[in-house]
Amino acid sequence: AQKVTQAQTEISVVEKEDVTLDCVYETRDTTYYLFWYKQPPSGELVFLIRRNSFDEQNEISGRYSWNFQKSTSSFNFTITASQVVDSAVYFCALSDFYTGTASKLTFGTGTRLQVTL
Amino acid sequence: DVKVTQSSRYLVKRTGEKVFLECVQDMDHENMFWYRQDPGLGLRLIYFSYDVKMKEKGDIPEGYSVSREKKERFSLILESASTNQTSMYLCASSFDLLYGYTFGSGTRLTVV
Repeated sequence: AQKVTQAQTEISVVEKEDVTLDCVYETRDTTYYLFWYKQPPSGELVFLIRRNSFDEQNEISGRYSWNFQKSTSSFNFTITASQVVDSAVYFCALSDFYTGTASKLTFGTGTRLQVTL
Repeated sequence: DVKVTQSSRYLVKRTGEKVFLECVQDMDHENMFWYRQDPGLGLRLIYFSYDVKMKEKGDIPEGYSVSREKKERFSLILESASTNQTSMYLCASSFDLLYGYTFGSGTRLTVV
């Protein structure tokens, strides 16, 4: 069975601090996708990134970066120089891998990030 | 802008009522999903559909059913609402998992 663990329930930082959100996953599949979603107070989950299991390159997008390590089954998310607008609940998710179109996601329990001035 | 629309943002129903949660997407997506979100439990998949009139159970289907008569609409049905079904319900759609899911804003259902 697929499982995603986000051990950090809640993190509070002061603006401009760097923060890393941890994600550890379990799967028997050799091919899979990992995702991060952001859920701001409005409630709608916003897609941030997808990473496939063949690609262990780290990725950077502005203040966001992701570190995928297959050896430790981790897909961690770092926000550099955090801002108040980063305050949200962040979910890590793992796909199973049927045909691509019928695949579904297993989500972690989420990490609530609070950024204060 | 592409959209997934959930008909109600907040809903209060009585125990035993039959409840319909509606979700409509305008992106011509094949796949649609219903999740519920509870504190400390994250998002859990209730049902999903990969084609019109097709449906598959997710991880927690008990007490729910779904209907997909048209491609753009995916309805979640609580046959006899119970207080333990008080939750935030999120609908999502996708063309292909490569592009992620698009989520609606959610329906917060309270069963009293």
